[in-house]
Amino acid sequence: AQSVTQLGSHVSVSEGALVLLRCNYSSSVPPYLFWYVQYPNQGLQLLLKYTSAATLVKGINGFEAEFKKSETSFHLTKPSAHMSDAAEYFCAVTESTNAGKSTFGDGTTLTVKP
Amino acid sequence: NAGVTQTPKFQVLKTGQSMTLQCAQDMNHEYMSWYRQDPGMGLRLIHYSVGAGITDQGEVPNGYNVSRSTTEDFPLRLLSAAPSQTSVYFCASSYSHQGSYEQYFGPGTRLTVT
Repeated sequence: AQSVTQLGSHVSVSEGALVLLRCNYSSSVPPYLFWYVQYPNQGLQLLLKYTSAATLVKGINGFEAEFKKSETSFHLTKPSAHMSDAAEYFCAVTESTNAGKSTFGDGTTLTVKP
Repeated sequence: NAGVTQTPKFQVLKTGQSMTLQCAQDMNHEYMSWYRQDPGMGLRLIHYSVGAGITDQGEVPNGYNVSRSTTEDFPLRLLSAAPSQTSVYFCASSYSHQGSYEQYFGPGTRLTVT
């Protein structure tokens, strides 16, 4: 069984400030972990992924995340928020034995204030 | 490549009606999945397929049927629509070659059941 918990359903930051979105997971097998972003009225697109290579992964638009096995965490960060980062962000875990079966967190809505 | 396509974009049904949501992908991905998205609940897996002719249930399968006769198509059937099935439905495809595993999402179908 696998599960994902995203801490904080809403996060608000000022433009230029650090973005930190938290994600903790549980998985009975080595996990593959993902962050997706969803803009209003659109589908989800991949930001970055961890698939057992480097523990610090870099994604698009300046985002990065660090896989910490001891803490079962995969937090998403960006050093300096931009207005265009306002969106909903989803953390997901996929079984390493089944690429069709992903479990998503409830999502975190990021607001960026000017 | 068109990627993952879904039709229709919007649909209104009356309670008890049936319909099929269409999903197609042109990337030759072996895995395909259906999710529903409800406010504050992230994405929940309805059904998924690991290849043509093979499907399995996800977290919330009741009231939905799927089949996969070709690699490209994965339709979702609502047998007798209920107001609780009002949601946004996303189809996704994925593949496991070289540890990829990320989901490629369609644009979604917004379904309202009255």
